[in-house]
Amino acid sequence: GAGVSQSPSNKVTEKGKDVELRCDPISGHTALYWYRQSLGQGLEFLIYFQGNSAPDKSGLPSDRFSAERTGGSVSTLTIQRTQQEDSAVYLCASSSRTSGGLSSYNEQFFGPGTRLTVL
Amino acid sequence: AQSVTQLDSQVPVFEEAPVELRCNYSSSVSVYLFWYVQYPNQGLQLLLKYLSGSTLVKSINGFEAEFNKSQTSFHLRKPSVHISDTAEYFCALSAGTALIFGKGTTLSVSS
Repeated sequence: GAGVSQSPSNKVTEKGKDVELRCDPISGHTALYWYRQSLGQGLEFLIYFQGNSAPDKSGLPSDRFSAERTGGSVSTLTIQRTQQEDSAVYLCASSSRTSGGLSSYNEQFFGPGTRLTVL
Repeated sequence: AQSVTQLDSQVPVFEEAPVELRCNYSSSVSVYLFWYVQYPNQGLQLLLKYLSGSTLVKSINGFEAEFNKSQTSFHLRKPSVHISDTAEYFCALSAGTALIFGKGTTLSVSS
């Protein structure tokens, strides 16, 4: 594919509803990341997938947040029982591979983001 | 724990003036350092990176940043800015996986 794609581009929901955000990484990229960009908080890491390994969920802010990656490609970020403080732009990024540490580096390419507004 | 601090949230400058966007980091392990740029209504783009080697790194549009290990800094500079440089700039670090970002600096260039 040409780049990382995300859908929807905008999502408006009511407090308490569940939402699903989708990310399509660059074809062949094995690493996938979710970040959140909100006013006053900047960009925060949420979750990281690398191949078939267990994801690094250390950045998820609460158990209302979860993500999965099917077939090592498309990823879905789910927010249950949304709250107003969940309003933010959710960014997805992918890279070709990473083995951790400084032994390798692969640039992360970012998608355009999904702007979530919780009323 | 690792962290990135961008010392200025907003930097207003006039066109053709020099600019410096400050970034300090904290880490107990070696890291990679990055500057990302987000133009109005656009996605995040990598501007430049320091991985190893020369401590001075440059972008194709005239920005440069210098890695200073003793001061744990990675300040971004440009000797003469253009209106088109108006954007939000993020400093980030990585120890090999996820990026840790600063809160961003909004650079506003006016004529």
